[in-house]
Amino acid sequence: SQKIEQNSEALNIQEGKTATLTCNYTNYSPAYLQWYRQDPGRGPVFLLLIRENEKEKRKERLKVTFDTTLKQSLFHITASQPADSATYLCALFYNQGGKLIFGQGTELSVKP
Amino acid sequence: NAGVTQTPKFRVLKTGQSMTLLCAQDMNHEYMYWYRQDPGMGLRLIHYSVGEGTTAKGEVPDGYNVSRLKKQNFLLGLESAAPSQTSVYFCASNLGLAGTDTQYFGPGTRLTVL
Repeated sequence: SQKIEQNSEALNIQEGKTATLTCNYTNYSPAYLQWYRQDPGRGPVFLLLIRENEKEKRKERLKVTFDTTLKQSLFHITASQPADSATYLCALFYNQGGKLIFGQGTELSVKP
Repeated sequence: NAGVTQTPKFRVLKTGQSMTLLCAQDMNHEYMYWYRQDPGMGLRLIHYSVGEGTTAKGEVPDGYNVSRLKKQNFLLGLESAAPSQTSVYFCASNLGLAGTDTQYFGPGTRLTVL
């Protein structure tokens, strides 16, 4: 079965730096890969979607890369702010299964 | 638009009791999902529906039942609650097939089974 690995340890960075979060998967590459943000006590909120034939996607200060050779997606937040502190989830979609599979999430803390 | 709403927000049950969690969406979405989230486990799919009157099993369906009698509502039932069902439950909906577009989540229901 597919496995998704996100950094289990929290990532602590200084305000203004670039935060980089990793999502690794096993076996087959997904058709789509998504990133969500989750704040404590709230439901996840969709951020970005990238397709398997896309290498990179950007949205404002966010950038996602998708490397099907390494079986890895990187999620970058540039010029990070304390308001970016949250847990970030990656999710994979396979056409065969027809459902999203979520990673366990990585907690990001941006210090002023 | 209220988006996806869930009722109740919190609930404490005793082992063996039953309850129903209600999810409602006002976006006319076809697809609806129930997940549970446990520490270190990520979101796991319980049941889902691809349209009114349809339901299907997800990754962890045992101990749960669902119904989708109306397009806007998706109910999750626990017939005989167990401590292992202590979790945070999230409902979500999509216009299209999950993964191909934005999945909208509700605020969650925190359930404790004693």
